[in-house]
Amino acid sequence: DGGITQSPKYLFRKEGQNVTLSCEQNLNHDAMYWYRQDPGQGLRLIYYSQIVNDFQKGDIAEGYSVSREKKESFPLTVTSAQKNPTAFYLCASSSTSGSSYEQYFGPGTRLTVT
Amino acid sequence: GQSLEQPSEVTAVEGAIVQINCTYQTSGFYGLSWYQQHDGGAPTFLSYNGLDGLEETGRFSSFLSRSDSYGYLLLQELQMKDSASYFCAVRTFNAGNNRKLIWGLGTSLAVNP
Repeated sequence: DGGITQSPKYLFRKEGQNVTLSCEQNLNHDAMYWYRQDPGQGLRLIYYSQIVNDFQKGDIAEGYSVSREKKESFPLTVTSAQKNPTAFYLCASSSTSGSSYEQYFGPGTRLTVT
Repeated sequence: GQSLEQPSEVTAVEGAIVQINCTYQTSGFYGLSWYQQHDGGAPTFLSYNGLDGLEETGRFSSFLSRSDSYGYLLLQELQMKDSASYFCAVRTFNAGNNRKLIWGLGTSLAVNP
């Protein structure tokens, strides 16, 4: 079955540690996205990538880094520079063809930093 | 700046009809999408309007008026399972023609028996 996987579902880290969240898709989508969601809030874009080896900062990129070495994979690293990293992180992908408009989401990773 | 406004909460009873409005102020507008998110889950796509008018998909319909920068999601024959958050999102692009979605803060819908 095609879809997006994120692992792990829950992640706990101590302050000062970097942590990498995994995102893999087998939908053959060119575009991939990372969002952050805080309780009762909408989705805020962290980084996005339209093609392999290229990515752009979203609205809240400070303290985060990404790579896009393969079409299927778009890992997100939450660095110690991110001041408030505890949140629900969602990865999404979409086709880049002209008529496409739907973003498909993974199940999310809930990160808690103490 | 770019912004989307939608009500924070809506309450309705089973079997009723509810309309969730969304007004937007964005640049590079392609279209308006609606997503549903249950507590603890991921957003799932409901509908998309690229042109003015009404799109119907089963119990859900979505409307867009580009001249008014306004859209709405209409949910009919409400069921308990429709209790969720509903997000409007504008499909836009930046100066590099990279496409992205700008999201509203979401409307929490509670369906009561």
